[in-house]
Amino acid sequence: AQSVTQPDIHITVSEGASLELRCNYSYGATPYLFWYVQSPGQGLQLLLKYFSGDTLVQGIKGFEAEFKRSQSSFNLRKPSVHWSDAAEYFCAVGAPQGGGNKLTFGTGTQLKVEL
Amino acid sequence: NAGVMQNPRHLVRRRGQEARLRCSPMKGHSHVYWYRQLPEEGLKFMVYLQKENIIDESGMPKERFSAEFPKEGPSILRIQQVVRGDSAAYFCASSQIGTTHEQYFGPGTRLTVT
Repeated sequence: AQSVTQPDIHITVSEGASLELRCNYSYGATPYLFWYVQSPGQGLQLLLKYFSGDTLVQGIKGFEAEFKRSQSSFNLRKPSVHWSDAAEYFCAVGAPQGGGNKLTFGTGTQLKVEL
Repeated sequence: NAGVMQNPRHLVRRRGQEARLRCSPMKGHSHVYWYRQLPEEGLKFMVYLQKENIIDESGMPKERFSAEFPKEGPSILRIQQVVRGDSAAYFCASSQIGTTHEQYFGPGTRLTVT
């Protein structure tokens, strides 16, 4: 079964600074990978996804993520953080084979942006 | 194009009552998923449905929980005889045929059991 680890529970960055949120997965083959963002009291918004092909994927709101098979990672990055990026970020994995259609989520990283 | 709709957004139930949570998928989506988010945790898969069919209920508790997605109308997640441990945010997601892993989430229903 697939699993996801987000090692950082909380991260604080200054507005304008760069951001990297870590995500490691466990799955026997190449999974489908996703990053979602959740603002307080809201649902999850899909930021970006990786299914296959180019390992650097671009998403909405200026975010990007890179799939690194050798490290089983799919880290989320943004060159310059805005105060409105403060939210909780979830990495998720789907299994193309044998895992059904469910997504498995990490426990999330809470991002705080200092002005 | 409306997104995934869930109602109610907030629901308070006393222990022993029933909770009914509704989910209308995005237009053109025929697959519905329910996830539960307990405080300080990520989302956990509960059940995956297509119209009139439960495809995967491997994440559903064995008792008190049921889900349906009828031919007409929204998907319903039903929790009978609620207990305090059922207090959580319940999210519905939907997807299209052929892109079932690309799931779009609703705003959630926050259930509080008193």
